[in-house]
Amino acid sequence: DSGVTQTPKHLITATGQRVTLRCSPRSGDLSVYWYQQSLDQGLQFLIQYYNGEERAKGNILERFSAQQFPDLHSELNLSSLELGDSALYFCASSPGTGGFYEQYFGPGTRLTVT
Amino acid sequence: GDSVTQMEGPVTLSEEAFLTINCTYTATGYPSLFWYVQYPGEGLQLLLKATKADDKGSNKGFEATYRKETTSFHLEKGSVQVSDSAVYFCALSDRGGSSNTGKLIFGQGTTLQVKP
Repeated sequence: DSGVTQTPKHLITATGQRVTLRCSPRSGDLSVYWYQQSLDQGLQFLIQYYNGEERAKGNILERFSAQQFPDLHSELNLSSLELGDSALYFCASSPGTGGFYEQYFGPGTRLTVT
Repeated sequence: GDSVTQMEGPVTLSEEAFLTINCTYTATGYPSLFWYVQYPGEGLQLLLKATKADDKGSNKGFEATYRKETTSFHLEKGSVQVSDSAVYFCALSDRGGSSNTGKLIFGQGTTLQVKP
């Protein structure tokens, strides 16, 4: 158990809908990262928050947004969903920001768009 | 941009065989290097890491050495077990300048299947 929790575990929704994925980092970790894992794109970095502020953006679509709250949990919002958004979404946390720190991954949320 | 390339899988071995999974990287800065493992239906677990040239990361019998001259970080294990069957990901995190956010760049993953 990494100490990172994600809810829900599975999500099935229709095209055009909006969903929210939630992540609670390990106790004491200030950074939260979001990644998308799909068969065709592999594992890709989406976005990072550090202590409530956006720190880095990767290949995140404009339809996607995220935030980190004062209690350090984070939410990833996906809107106007398309079939191609079906994927596993992982969050990871680390104590700080920067390449020296290890990241600890949650179990993921499997999103299926029908 | 930065990238990681892993050997194509799947890799199928018999129990107690020697394992090597090749990983090479391209980075403009001075990255940290990681191996993560993903068991079926689970998230990624950090297997080992190395943060500077010639560092050797090791864990659970797995080893990898940070080779700056060949930009490689190959994963090895002397004797694999059935329980090692999983997908293995090599990753880098750049530590240079403004890109020092810690975001991970992953290889495509290598599936390992160990048969009894």
